[in-house]
Amino acid sequence: GENVEQHPSTLSVQEGDSAVIKCTYSDSASNYFPWYKQELGKRPQLIIDIRSNVGEKKDQRIAVTLNKTAKHFSLHITETQPEDSAVYFCAAKVNYQLIWGAGTKLIIKP
Amino acid sequence: DAGITQSPRYKITETGRQVTLMCHQTWSHSYMFWYRQDLGHGLRLIYYSAAADITDKGEVPDGYVVSRSKTENFPLTLESATRSQTSVYFCASRGTGTVETDTQYFGPGTRLTVL
Repeated sequence: GENVEQHPSTLSVQEGDSAVIKCTYSDSASNYFPWYKQELGKRPQLIIDIRSNVGEKKDQRIAVTLNKTAKHFSLHITETQPEDSAVYFCAAKVNYQLIWGAGTKLIIKP
Repeated sequence: DAGITQSPRYKITETGRQVTLMCHQTWSHSYMFWYRQDLGHGLRLIYYSAAADITDKGEVPDGYVVSRSKTENFPLTLESATRSQTSVYFCASRGTGTVETDTQYFGPGTRLTVL
């Protein structure tokens, strides 16, 4: 079945720098790739998503890129701010389910 | 997000007891999901439902039972709670019919402790 690998598990960046989180998936039939942000003690919330017919999508400081050939997609956060500190999850849709990565804890250093 | 609620938000129970976690959504979404999230881990799917009276197992269904008699409710029952079921449980829902309905919306979670 589908497997989603997410790296790194922890990422520490200086405030103002960029952060990149990468995910790979195994099922070529996957066609929807969301990214969720989960703050401590809160529910996961969608921050951006991309479909397989698009290579890149941006929303202010956040962007997602998709390489279907290599079966990987990445989350890019520019000009990081303290409120970006959270755990980020990627996922890939297979049939009606989302298969989740293990998460990346993003730490923003002042 | 306000359209999907979970109760209770916190629950402490003892080994062997039956516990039911409730999930209610007001969007009339077809799909509903139950996940568990253990400390330092990601989301693991327990059960999901495509519509009322249609449920299916996810990755970790053992020890859990679900039902869905109404579209808006999707209760999760731990028939005989074990310590290994101590976790945070999230319910989620999504619609169907258009590509825009792929997004899953999560409830606030239930923190369950089994002593």
